[in-house]
Amino acid sequence: NAGVTQTPKFRILKIGQSMTLQCTQDMNHNYMYWYRQDPGMGLKLIYYSVGAGITDKGEVPNGYNVSRSTTEDFPLRLELAAPSQTSVYFCASSSGPVMGWAFFGQGTRLTVV
Amino acid sequence: GENVEQHPSTLSVQEGDSAVIKCTYSDSASNYFPWYKQELGKRPQLIIDIRSNVGEKKDQRIAVTLNKTAKHFSLHITETQPEDSAVYFCAASKDSGAGSYQLTFGKGTKLSVIP
Repeated sequence: NAGVTQTPKFRILKIGQSMTLQCTQDMNHNYMYWYRQDPGMGLKLIYYSVGAGITDKGEVPNGYNVSRSTTEDFPLRLELAAPSQTSVYFCASSSGPVMGWAFFGQGTRLTVV
Repeated sequence: GENVEQHPSTLSVQEGDSAVIKCTYSDSASNYFPWYKQELGKRPQLIIDIRSNVGEKKDQRIAVTLNKTAKHFSLHITETQPEDSAVYFCAASKDSGAGSYQLTFGKGTKLSVIP
């Protein structure tokens, strides 16, 4: 049972480049989330999804896009990367609406130079 | 929206002593309060949570208390061990209304347990 899997683990982007952070879960969870974690800070919600075909903005959605075509996958798209998007990104999933026993992926460390 | 304040930002304790981390929240509609432990370079892991219909919850050496009136909740770790050293995050969420299902995190407390 893999849980929540994120790829890649590390990435360096140049300003203006685009990339997709992949997230997949094998627990049949309806709820999935993308968070970013800046140094010395808590996690801030970027986007979340309550089921396939449904996505909604979180606290810091600007500069990102998501899609949820299947229950398993919840990719995060960065368009026109900026230095302010340098962060560690965590994908998470949960079985219930209020996180419950939420499972986090191992994180993607992104640097924009 | 919800705002979660967490104190202290750093905490050092001697092995065997107790550690207490406190959080306050602003939205009285919040009703779910989890605590996460994050070791260096690792993912956050849920260690304990509490819902608003309960005042206290224990799991071995860790416990969480909730005061709904004052809108604050605390994590208590007893008989601390070096492996308890990590960053601890509190969070708050609600299951209805605007912003529901979203976790708002505190900024974290770096706990160091000195052998």
